[in-house]
Amino acid sequence: GAGVSQTPSNKVTEKGKYVELRCDPISGHTALYWYRQSLGQGPEFLIYFQGTGAADDSGLPNDRFFAVRPEGSVSTLKIQRTERGDSAVYLCASSPTDRENQPQHFGDGTRLSIL
Amino acid sequence: SQQGEEDPQALSIQEGENATMNCSYKTSINNLQWYRQNSGRGLVHLILIRSNEREKHSGRLRVTLDTSKKSSSLLITASRAADTASYFCATDADSARQLTFGSGTQLTVLP
Repeated sequence: GAGVSQTPSNKVTEKGKYVELRCDPISGHTALYWYRQSLGQGPEFLIYFQGTGAADDSGLPNDRFFAVRPEGSVSTLKIQRTERGDSAVYLCASSPTDRENQPQHFGDGTRLSIL
Repeated sequence: SQQGEEDPQALSIQEGENATMNCSYKTSINNLQWYRQNSGRGLVHLILIRSNEREKHSGRLRVTLDTSKKSSSLLITASRAADTASYFCATDADSARQLTFGSGTQLTVLP
C-alpha cells in the first residue's frame, strides 16, 4: 500500500544553496511531522502541521528553515543559505489526526549532504 | 534535544536469545512508543503503551512502562537475524503531539 513518500532520496549541494525537500503523506492523514536525524542519533522534531497550518514550529533551528503545506496534503521543507551543519537525514511522518496515542508513519527520508 | 537515553547503546546476541533494551525519559507523557529502523530506512512503529498501562504484548514483543521511574523496557523474545536494526523509544508528552526520541539501541542478532 502507499506509505509516506519523500523526494529526493538523496540531495547533495554546495554550501549557500537553497534546497527543497518534499513529503507526500499517507492519503487522508491530517497530521504531518518533519524530523531531522544526525548519524548515530534519534530523530529530532522540527515542525508539525495539522491540516494546512503549522501547529508547532518550535523545533526549527533558525529562520533559514521554513515549511509549508498549502493544501493540507503534500508538504515542502525549505532550507535557505545551506550550511555544512545542515547535513542530516530529514524524515517526514504522518498520522491520521494529531490526537493522542496515535503512531506515526515514517518515510525513508531525504539524505541531505552540504559540501 | 533528546528526551532520554536508551541502554545499552549496542547489543549483540545469538539468534534464538532474548534481547532487552531499556529507555529512560524526563517529562510526563501521554504514551511511550517503540520504533525500529533498518539502516538507511525510515522508522517503523512497533508498539505503543499508554501512560496508564504497565505492560503490553505484541507477538514476540513485550513492553513495560514504569511512570514512577520514568522508564520503559522492550523485550524481543526468540530473536532472529532479521531483527537486526536500531530500536528507538519515543514519548508523546502531555502538551505536545510531536515525538521526542531517545538515542537508540543498535541490536545485532548473529545467525
